[in-house]
Amino acid sequence: AQSVTQLGSHVSVSEGALVLLRCNYSSSVPPYLFWYVQYPNQGLQLLLKYTSAATLVKGINGFEAEFKKSETSFHLTKPSAHMSDAAEYFCAVSVSNAGNMLTFGGGTRLMVKP
Amino acid sequence: SAVISQKPSRDICQRGTSLTIQCQVDSQVTMMFWYRQQPGQSLTLIATANQGSEATYESGFVIDKFPISRPNLTFSTLTVSNMSPEDSSIYLCSVRTRMNTEAFFGQGTRLTVV
Repeated sequence: AQSVTQLGSHVSVSEGALVLLRCNYSSSVPPYLFWYVQYPNQGLQLLLKYTSAATLVKGINGFEAEFKKSETSFHLTKPSAHMSDAAEYFCAVSVSNAGNMLTFGGGTRLMVKP
Repeated sequence: SAVISQKPSRDICQRGTSLTIQCQVDSQVTMMFWYRQQPGQSLTLIATANQGSEATYESGFVIDKFPISRPNLTFSTLTVSNMSPEDSSIYLCSVRTRMNTEAFFGQGTRLTVV
């Protein structure tokens, strides 16, 4: 079965600092990987996705993530944090031999200090 | 992409009663899912809504508690039955069009049971 682990349930950065949110996955077959953002009282919005093409994936709002098979990781980064980036971030995985659903990590709450 | 309309957006219900949540998609989709997000938690898959057949439930979720209907490829309902305060959560409808694409989410239904 596939699984996702997000290290750090809370991450705090200063405005303008690098954002790094960690995601490690477990899967016996090549995975599809996703990062979603959830603003307060809203649904989930896709930031970016890895679907076996380029390993460095660029998403919306200046975010990017790199798929590293050797490390089973898909960490999310942004060079310079904005106050508007404060939200909950979820990493998710799906695999072709385990149904069509997404399995989510525990989430990371990003706080941005002025 | 897919646009999902989910209603109600929120409700406060008495314990022992039932609430039916509706999910309407603007296009035909084969994969439709229902997730629960408990306060401060990640998303947990309740079930996959199958068109024309019984839903497929994940471990810990049963049909008597969470009956699901899917009469066609654009609509589904989730009922939360005999509610208790522990059922207070956000319930989200989600769809996917293909395995290598992202899932789209409704805005969620914020349920409070008193």
